[in-house]
Amino acid sequence: GQQLNQSPQSMFIQEGEDVSMNCTSSSIFNTWLWYKQEPGEGPVLLIALYKAGELTSNGRLTAQFGITRKDSFLNISASIPSDVGIYFCAGQEAGTYKYIFGTGTRLKVLA
Amino acid sequence: EAQVTQNPRYLITVTGKKLTVTCSQNMNHEYMSWYRQDPGLGLRQIYYSMNVEVTDKGDVPEGYKVSRKEKRNFPLILESPSPNQTSLYFCASSVGWDNEQFFGPGTRLTVL
Repeated sequence: GQQLNQSPQSMFIQEGEDVSMNCTSSSIFNTWLWYKQEPGEGPVLLIALYKAGELTSNGRLTAQFGITRKDSFLNISASIPSDVGIYFCAGQEAGTYKYIFGTGTRLKVLA
Repeated sequence: EAQVTQNPRYLITVTGKKLTVTCSQNMNHEYMSWYRQDPGLGLRQIYYSMNVEVTDKGDVPEGYKVSRKEKRNFPLILESPSPNQTSLYFCASSVGWDNEQFFGPGTRLTVL
């Protein structure tokens, strides 16, 4: 089955730095969502995008639904230690009811 | 409190011994889903259900069964577990098929 190509796989950054990660697909998606997972827990939604070109912010987080509907990015500004975790992109491929997740970006923030 | 619950949270079993992992949500959600999470592979959808009595295969359905007899419950059944089904399993639910998914706490399954 399809999986989304998510990059980078992992990042080590200094507190206060900005972070950017992205997801690409070989097919068109109807929705793009970004989740964060902390150890021992299930993923929690950060941002949901429903229209091509849509740019949405949630505090220090900003995400965009690519114009081609085949990609999305997530930016985190001024990172803090509690941003540590695994970030997943996810979405629904056009014409299906399946949910597909990216392979995740593991973020570590050094104080 | 709105939530998705899964039981058990941890399970160690042996090859071939049938098991069921339960999932229940109290949000009246129509869409429910099971995922497995393996290192480096992210979450992969096993099965999903659009509503009561409506289920369909995700990307990795082999070796699993599900049922949706009631809206709130969506059990995952492993008729004959094998070691390659050792994984972390998540149940999730959402209002509709294209909405935010709410995840349960996970079930860590080890098949010896």
